[in-house]
Amino acid sequence: GESVGLHLPTLSVQEGDNSIINCAYSNSASDYFIWYKQESGKGPQFIIDIRSNMDKRQGQRVTVLLNKTVKHLSLQIAATQPGDSAVYFCAVGGTGANNLFFGTGTRLTVIP
Amino acid sequence: DSGVTQTPKHLITATGQRVTLRCSPRSGDLSVYWYQQSLDQGLQFLIQYYNGEERAKGNILERFSAQQFPDLHSELNLSSLELGDSALYFCASSVDAGVGNTIYFGEGSWLTVV
Repeated sequence: GESVGLHLPTLSVQEGDNSIINCAYSNSASDYFIWYKQESGKGPQFIIDIRSNMDKRQGQRVTVLLNKTVKHLSLQIAATQPGDSAVYFCAVGGTGANNLFFGTGTRLTVIP
Repeated sequence: DSGVTQTPKHLITATGQRVTLRCSPRSGDLSVYWYQQSLDQGLQFLIQYYNGEERAKGNILERFSAQQFPDLHSELNLSSLELGDSALYFCASSVDAGVGNTIYFGEGSWLTVV
């Protein structure tokens, strides 16, 4: 099966700085990658996704970068705000079905 | 609000008991997923249904079962509960079942087994 890991369990950044959260996956055949944000007491909230035929995708203040060569995924958050404080999960889509394999999560803390 | 509704939000029950968790997917979504989130295992995929039929199976125990009804709501049945089954159970849904369909999660049902 797929193995997904995040590089850092916690990350603290100053308000206004950019945040980068990294993730590694194991299956080179994986085709679909997603970032979720989970606030305390809530379910995972979809942030952004990317397919393997792309290496970069941008959303509102967020960018996902995919490096298939080294099987690495990152989420960049621009001008981080206190409301961005949460646990961020990367997830990798199954190769045959739409089930997701989740990493262990990185807790982002924004310092005012 | 993702549009995925789960009940109950919290549940406390004793070991050996059986519980049913209920989920209503987002309007228009045909596929439903169940995930378990525990401190030691993280978010684990349990099972997926599409339009009433089982589509994919993950790390779901034999003591657990699920189904998706004709109105597309889904239920996860957990029986012979053990202390280790205490976790947050999420339902999620997507429009279609194929890879790449965005999956939206509900707020979860927190199960405590005592």
